[in-house]
Amino acid sequence: AQTVTQSQPEMSVQEAETVTLSCTYDTSESDYYLFWYKQPPSRQMILVIRQEAYKQQNATENRFSVNFQKAAKSFSLKISDSQLGDAAMYFCAYRRGAGGTSYGKLTFGQGTILTVHP
Amino acid sequence: NAGVTQTPKFQVLKTGQSMTLQCAQDMNHEYMSWYRQDPGMGLRLIHYSVGAGITDQGEVPNGYNVSRSTTEDFPLRLLSAAPSQTSVYFCASSYSQGSGNTIYFGEGSWLTVV
Repeated sequence: AQTVTQSQPEMSVQEAETVTLSCTYDTSESDYYLFWYKQPPSRQMILVIRQEAYKQQNATENRFSVNFQKAAKSFSLKISDSQLGDAAMYFCAYRRGAGGTSYGKLTFGQGTILTVHP
Repeated sequence: NAGVTQTPKFQVLKTGQSMTLQCAQDMNHEYMSWYRQDPGMGLRLIHYSVGAGITDQGEVPNGYNVSRSTTEDFPLRLLSAAPSQTSVYFCASSYSQGSGNTIYFGEGSWLTVV
């Protein structure tokens, strides 16, 4: 079974600074997707960024980027120029690749609470 | 486009009562699933469905029942509520084809069992 581990229960950053959230995962699959979700106090689940395992290039979405180390099974999220609105719980998630019944079956980490100080 | 709609948003139940959490999506997604979120544990999969008439168990299925009679709806039934089922429940849906297959979440249903 796949597992996802977020070893940082809480992180904090000063506004405009950069912060990195860590995530490691364990799988025997070669085809899979990795995600970072943001959950603000409203509890809405917001997709931040997605990485396909077969792509070597790290995904980037504006101020959000990932460091995907497939051999090390590591998938960290870097938030640059942090803003007050970035404060939230962040979840790392794993999903098997195409085929079968893998769609809709996400395995989540425990989450990291990010606080942004003005 | 409403996306994924969950009702009710808040519910308080007494131990032993039954209830149904409703989930509907208007995106013609084949895949639908239910997760629960507990403190310090992230989201865990309860049940999922790959299409109308097809359902299967996830990681924590005990105490819950599902059915999928239409593509749009995927209700979650609590048969006899227990305090351990106090949680936030999320419904999610996605296509079966396409790049990345973004999973769309509902806004969550807060359930308290007393």
